[in-house]
Amino acid sequence: GQSLEQPSEVTAVEGAIVQINCTYQTSGFYGLSWYQQHDGGAPTFLSYNALDGLEETGRFSSFLSRSDSYGYLLLQELQMKDSASYFCAVTDTGFQKLVFGTGTRLLVSP
Amino acid sequence: ETGVTQTPRHLVMGMTNKKSLKCEQHLGHNAMYWYKQSAKKPLELMFVYSLEERVENNSVPSRFSPECPNSSHLFLHLHTLQPEDSALYLCASSTHRDPSYEQYFGPGTRLTVT
Repeated sequence: GQSLEQPSEVTAVEGAIVQINCTYQTSGFYGLSWYQQHDGGAPTFLSYNALDGLEETGRFSSFLSRSDSYGYLLLQELQMKDSASYFCAVTDTGFQKLVFGTGTRLLVSP
Repeated sequence: ETGVTQTPRHLVMGMTNKKSLKCEQHLGHNAMYWYKQSAKKPLELMFVYSLEERVENNSVPSRFSPECPNSSHLFLHLHTLQPEDSALYLCASSTHRDPSYEQYFGPGTRLTVT
């Protein structure tokens, strides 16, 4: 089976840096994705890591360690608009589909 | 706007009703998906269509019936639902079925079964 764990909620202030961790267990692994979802909105793609290391896209970076079955999303220079839920998802080689975590709700305060 | 639209946005139906959810993508994608999102639970993949052929049926009850008449449209037909089927139903599309490709989600249909 597959399982993903991420914190249910994280709080931070504007301008700060926050890291959202994701650990996973899958029978086969292809890559780790991150999606953002604002309340009442659709999930939107943020990043995808297939190889170990850090991928940077503007204020957001994503990291993967395949040997540790672990990844994280790093958000820098936090803004109020970053308040949303963040989902990690693994791509399972066996089933060729995305399996999502339960999501981390990020609350950014002034 | 992600290029994926869903109608209706909200739906309330009784357990004996029949209704359909509609999804349309304007992105020229070849794969389309139905997901269910319930409170406090991960997004659950329900169905995958690739080039209009169903390639995944994730142990979904038969009261949910998908239809993909062409590569731009996807339907989810609902009948004799249960209250526990109340959830947000999300449609998504991607260039290819390979999950490493970015999936574009629609805004969802909020379904309430009474």
